[in-house]
Amino acid sequence: DTAVSQTPKYLVTQMGNDKSIKCEQNLGHDTMYWYKQDSKKFLKIMFSYNNKELIINETVPNRFSPKSPDKAHLNLHINSLELGDSAVYFCASSLMDNEQYFGPGTRLTVT
Amino acid sequence: GENVEQHPSTLSVQEGDSAVIKCTYSDSASNYFPWYKQELGKRPQLIIDIRSNVGEKKDQRIAVTLNKTAKHFSLHITETQPEDSAVYFCAADSGGYQKVTFGTGTKLQVIP
Repeated sequence: DTAVSQTPKYLVTQMGNDKSIKCEQNLGHDTMYWYKQDSKKFLKIMFSYNNKELIINETVPNRFSPKSPDKAHLNLHINSLELGDSAVYFCASSLMDNEQYFGPGTRLTVT
Repeated sequence: GENVEQHPSTLSVQEGDSAVIKCTYSDSASNYFPWYKQELGKRPQLIIDIRSNVGEKKDQRIAVTLNKTAKHFSLHITETQPEDSAVYFCAADSGGYQKVTFGTGTKLQVIP
């Protein structure tokens, strides 16, 4: 009965590889987000989708590509991983203008 | 775009004392102000929120105040306990398709 789930929880990979993180919510929310949290704990929004449509696309390298197959899923694909991509990535969902529910996070380590 | 400043970045208090965290925002269109608590290794979770038509909201030991004229809002925790130790984030939401902007976080340490 998990509200927002992400897989995998941990991801260790080498520079140059391509990886994906999956996110699913079962709350019936219409908006989903991807955030990056760096070592200083800053929460930086990357993307936001409303009803499968991209509505926010912050200044993120185009190596990052989100994909929303339906309202309940928002996946993040990262090409050509770099050391600076190491961080915790959080997926979240909400109804517009309401509380965001965060997933458990995916700790990405690029070596 | 919206800019949210949060202070202090770190805060240490003795157990039982009060803690106050302050945030300012720049966009007068912002109308929803949530506060999230993130324990070590966990996800951020909402602890309290306030909308622009309300000046104050309280939930047990936690309260939030909002001053729309000055564009600032504050989180107040009374009778702090060790389990209050966490990073706290304020946020401002200007509604519609505008993004929620988070503050930079306050690491609160409650000393037993």
